Amino acid sequence: DAGITQSPRHKVTETGTPVTLRCHQTENHRYMYWYRQDPGHGLRLIHYSYGVKDTDKGEVSDGYSVSRSKTEDFLLTLESATSSQTSVYFCAISDDSGSLYNEQFFGPGTRLTVL
Amino acid sequence: DAKTTQPPSMDCAEGRAANLPCNHSTISGNEYVYWYRQIHSQGPQYIIHGLKNNETNEMASLIITEDRKSSTLILPHATLRDTAVYYCIVRARYNNNDMRFGAGTRLTVKP
Repeated sequence: DAGITQSPRHKVTETGTPVTLRCHQTENHRYMYWYRQDPGHGLRLIHYSYGVKDTDKGEVSDGYSVSRSKTEDFLLTLESATSSQTSVYFCAISDDSGSLYNEQFFGPGTRLTVL
Repeated sequence: DAKTTQPPSMDCAEGRAANLPCNHSTISGNEYVYWYRQIHSQGPQYIIHGLKNNETNEMASLIITEDRKSSTLILPHATLRDTAVYYCIVRARYNNNDMRFGAGTRLTVKP
């Protein structure tokens, strides 16, 4: 399995508070992604990164920001959490080399509940 | 929106082949077919991908029709641990930000 960890694995917070989720990889992959998964919607891309300090928006980026200061870490921040951001968040990584070119490998997920 | 259509659920007997269909009638020439699966509450897991030829790896086989408008994922000897939601995804290989997961097929392998 790809070396991807997410922290925290579970979090309960209150509306209006800031929340930061961390994704850490040991694979030295160039690309990193944040998805959210909600019933009836499958996984949807929030933001992704194509290198250190290089990020771009995905399908559902409103209310989220990201940062990548090191290859191995990709942070997802909810500046002021809302109940609509209650979801399971998955991080993924991929690389543009080798036999598994661009295949995405997912972390274990973070379950976030905003009360 | 996902570019694929899959049945919402399927059952399969343990030890038998599981054949999961996927329709992707609007697939374009540079788009690949990918399959992922998600076992309950875990992150999705890559299974296999293909462009136009049939593909096989240690997990599964992928059969793509000649017109590329549909495909079938085959798990040759399903086990109880193959119970999961299976996602068929169509995207260009260089397109990192276009993984559109639909609802998938929930496969239940029964003893």
